[in-house]
Amino acid sequence: GAGVSQSPSNKVTEKGKDVELRCDPISGHTALYWYRQSLGQGLEFLIYFQGNSAPDKSGLPSDRFSAERTGGSVSTLTIQRTQQEDSAVYLCASSRTVGETQYFGPGTRLLVL
Amino acid sequence: RKEVEQDPGPFNVPEGATVAFNCTYSNSASQSFFWYRQDCRKEPKLLMSVYSSGNEDGRFTAQLNRASQYISLLIRDSKLSDSATYLCVVTRGDSSYKLIFGSGTRLLVRP
Repeated sequence: GAGVSQSPSNKVTEKGKDVELRCDPISGHTALYWYRQSLGQGLEFLIYFQGNSAPDKSGLPSDRFSAERTGGSVSTLTIQRTQQEDSAVYLCASSRTVGETQYFGPGTRLLVL
Repeated sequence: RKEVEQDPGPFNVPEGATVAFNCTYSNSASQSFFWYRQDCRKEPKLLMSVYSSGNEDGRFTAQLNRASQYISLLIRDSKLSDSATYLCVVTRGDSSYKLIFGSGTRLLVRP
């Protein structure tokens, strides 16, 4: 079956612009996660959605970052007023339910000039 | 101090060699432990979970020492296709879903 998909695969933007990154989880997976991987760094947890529960936003690095998940499926991560330090690979993962194996998408490579 | 620490490597070994990676974690409340594999410019993929009793999957053996907060991965009979970055991953003690990743250990298997 289809895995987690993300779009765009690459995004180049200018400092100060807003960007939206999209994630389509595996069909039927109720849990969805966003991570960030900066150059030479480990993956960093950003936010978690589980069904209709309130999301865990504890990993978002600043209030410029927000995410939503519509209809319990597709999720969008929005970064407002991008900064150069936001340049990273943004990875989305989904799991059938909380605590089960997380399957990652291919990521969106964001470059802020 | 990072929550999960790994030797970044690279480990450069010949085909057929046995290689071991180590990892330490700082949160004694961590409940679940994994090794993920990440190929260059690709997403991480689960290699294996790590259990207290130790577990084996073909050429791969994982061990967990809770007292020392130490995790290991042993790869026997290395193949060229094993070349990748190996990520040590634990869950944060207060949740079962927040994966905390080490920075990874890079393995290069040469012919």
